[in-house]
Amino acid sequence: ETGVTQTPRHLVMGMTNKKSLKCEQHLGHNAMYWYKQSAKKPLELMFVYNFKEQTENNSVPSRFSPECPNSSHLFLHLHTLQPEDSALYLCASSGNTIYFGEGSWLTVV
Amino acid sequence: GEDVEQSLFLSVREGDSSVINCTYTDSSSTYLYWYKQEPGAGLQLLTYIFSNMDMKQDQRLTVLLNKKDKHLSLRIADTQTGDSAIYFCAESTDNNDMRFGAGTRLTVKP
Repeated sequence: ETGVTQTPRHLVMGMTNKKSLKCEQHLGHNAMYWYKQSAKKPLELMFVYNFKEQTENNSVPSRFSPECPNSSHLFLHLHTLQPEDSALYLCASSGNTIYFGEGSWLTVV
Repeated sequence: GEDVEQSLFLSVREGDSSVINCTYTDSSSTYLYWYKQEPGAGLQLLTYIFSNMDMKQDQRLTVLLNKKDKHLSLRIADTQTGDSAIYFCAESTDNNDMRFGAGTRLTVKP
């Protein structure tokens, strides 16, 4: 238990669906992140939020839309995804060190 | 861009030592990390080392850093089947700029 909670743990969606991933932390951290993990590839940093403000967007396609309503919650809204977007999406937060959630396994069919 | 590289697979026998190696290219790295990912789970921070340190030991884990060669290793003594997982090396200059390797899948055979 790292203190970073992600829901849902598993999600299967069609290419025309709209869904959201949720991340929650009560560690008092002010920075939150979304990472994408694909097999045999380095983790890819997608978005960074500091004090609810987006400070980094690593050329992520617009079909991924993050939202950070407060320092404890981070969402990743998904729409019109492609099969190649199937991956494990990891949320993280940081104080002195980065702590990861258990991830949301996304399958796009 | 800056890279972090590690071999994808390592297989050892139970009770042996495991050594997972990592190389990185960013000479300004401040922190270096090892994360463990068990099947179906997220990443768990195992240990980290500051770049001004050569070695850090924590129970069965020993981290060695050769800053000159930009080489980081994780040694697991008396490897157990429960150590089977993917181990990620990562480096950062600050917590908002963290780079990961692709992960080394450690398989421990009985």
